Formats: sequence, structure tokens, C-alpha cells
Amino acid sequence: NAGVMQNPRHLVRRRGQEARLRCSPMKGHSHVYWYRQLPEEGLKFMVYLQKENIIDESGMPKERFSAEFPKEGPSILRIQQVVRGDSAAYFCASSPRASEQYFGPGTRLTVT
Amino acid sequence: SQQGEEDPQALSIQEGENATMNCSYKTSINNLQWYRQNSGRGLVHLILIRSNEREKHSGRLRVTLDTSKKSSSLLITASRAADTASYFCATDRAGGGADGLTFGKGTHLIIQP
Repeated sequence: NAGVMQNPRHLVRRRGQEARLRCSPMKGHSHVYWYRQLPEEGLKFMVYLQKENIIDESGMPKERFSAEFPKEGPSILRIQQVVRGDSAAYFCASSPRASEQYFGPGTRLTVT
Repeated sequence: SQQGEEDPQALSIQEGENATMNCSYKTSINNLQWYRQNSGRGLVHLILIRSNEREKHSGRLRVTLDTSKKSSSLLITASRAADTASYFCATDRAGGGADGLTFGKGTHLIIQP
């Protein structure tokens, strides 16, 4: 059973471009979470999704950020018109239920 | 202090010694979890302790939970160089179901060979 997969592992974007981060949860997991980690900081919760539904997006910035978890395929975190402050590591986690979350290796986004 | 705040921020000990890290939180919880993160890597789940548990063991790890003080500790016994990493506690919210976790800033542990 493969773990949580994220791609790309590293992404470089110029200011104003769009960033798309993908997350494939572990097999059988229907809960997906996205977190952001700034350098020397802990992870900050962004959004919690189940298939085709956003359950909690209280940690998502109000503008430019969106997330989806379609019926088929990976979950996508999309950042439009990136700015330098978006540079961070973005982690996805999955869970089969309300219990421990299993994290992917993360996508390191650098905005130049 | 933040929900899930670790103490100390950094800890350096000799290989073979025990390492203790503490975590404090603010709100009522269902579970508290500890994770390890090696530099530049993802998080590895170490142990989950439920709010009705007081102590839990896993290999060289021992976790305690004191819900009256809203605090937890992680003890790593007989430390090894490979234990060098950042350690985070993460909490959910009581009654929150499958909510996102709240992480502290972590304790950076360095094991000197």
C-alpha cells in the first residue's frame, strides 16, 4: 500500500503564475487535508476535504487559493497569481477516519 | 501560547541519553499526536494518545498526557544519531470529528554522536 503521494516535489513559479499541487491519498482513505509550513515553523492547517466536498476551509486564504478532491483523481491545491509570500512547503495528509493522519513528502514551492 | 506549543524549542544531547520534549495546548481535545520531521522531509507519525489515556509506549518512545494541565510529553530513551529531527505535537478539537490538526512550532532535537 503506497503512502500519500504528492507531486511535484519541487515547484518554481514566477510571481503572477499559477501553482497546482497534487495529492493522491493512501488507498482507502477518503479524508484529505492540506497544510502549509513556512521555514522554521510548524504546519498550519488550510483545508479538509472528502470526495467532492470541502468540509472545512477555515485555514485557506480568502483569495487566490482553492482546493478540490474530485470523485476520480488526486486532490488539487491551486494557487493563482502566486506571490513571494506563498513560498513554503505544502503538505497533504490523508486519513481513513477521524484518527491519525498520514502525511505525504510535501511540495516545496518557490516563487521568484 | 499557541495550541500545541512545544518546549524546548531546541535540545542538544549526547547519544545514549534520554530526550524529553513537552507540549502544551489550550482547548479540549480528542487525541494528541506526535510527529517527527527530518530536515526537508515530510512528517512521520510517531504515536497517538487519546484523551482518556494517560501514558502510551511505542518502542523507545513514551508519551504522557495530562488533560487537567493540557500538556503532553514525549520521551525518547537511549537516543541515537538517527533521532536528530524536529518533533511536533498536533491536536484535534474535542467534538470536532475529523478536523485538521493544530501543530506547534516544534522542538528541534540534535543528538551528538
